[in-house]
Amino acid sequence: EAQVTQNPRYLITVTGKKLTVTCSQNMNHEYMSWYRQDPGLGLRQIYYSMNVEVTDKGDVPEGYKVSRKEKRNFPLILESPSPNQTSLYFCASGRYGWGSGHGGYTFGSGTRLTVV
Amino acid sequence: KNQVEQSPQSLIILEGKNCTLQCNYTVSPFSNLRWYKQDTGRGPVSLTIMTFSENTKSNGRYTATLDADTKQSSLHITASQLSDSASYICVVSAVLRGSGGYNKLIFGAGTRLAVHP
Repeated sequence: EAQVTQNPRYLITVTGKKLTVTCSQNMNHEYMSWYRQDPGLGLRQIYYSMNVEVTDKGDVPEGYKVSRKEKRNFPLILESPSPNQTSLYFCASGRYGWGSGHGGYTFGSGTRLTVV
Repeated sequence: KNQVEQSPQSLIILEGKNCTLQCNYTVSPFSNLRWYKQDTGRGPVSLTIMTFSENTKSNGRYTATLDADTKQSSLHITASQLSDSASYICVVSAVLRGSGGYNKLIFGAGTRLAVHP
């Protein structure tokens, strides 16, 4: 089954303790992206990657890191989490060059992170 | 500034009734517009995708319209069901020049729909 898999689904951590949220896709998509979703706001892009070893900042990259060593994986790293990073996070993948609208864009099921 | 605004923020309807959700955008250059359905705590799932030249597209009981001149879109749900209770998100793609085809997605905040029996 074609899917984007995020882990964990739920995570509670303490301020300053490094964590990684994993994201994996099995569709051979070039493009992957991380978003956070907060109440009353639309999804906001954190980082994206157009291919292996190619990453770039989205709209809200502060406090986050990513890496793209393999095509299928795109982990999100919080080096020193803070309470304002408490949010619902989504990973997504799609075919590069889907500007025509013919490409699919698949989201993972989400990771709910709480930083206390 | 590229923005997508949706209305209403929330809506309650009775099962079997129809409803229409609105999306206004100020995104340029426009590439395409998508409607997503997001169940609580789950990732968004695509309902429809429309490009500049398309003004209506249906997916079962969901019909989306697009007026590129006024930069407005609507999502009409016919004969609502309890399973339609979800958030509906309008997403507009802007072409990033010189990017070789990459679109930046701009998300609306969504309309939360509750269908009651």
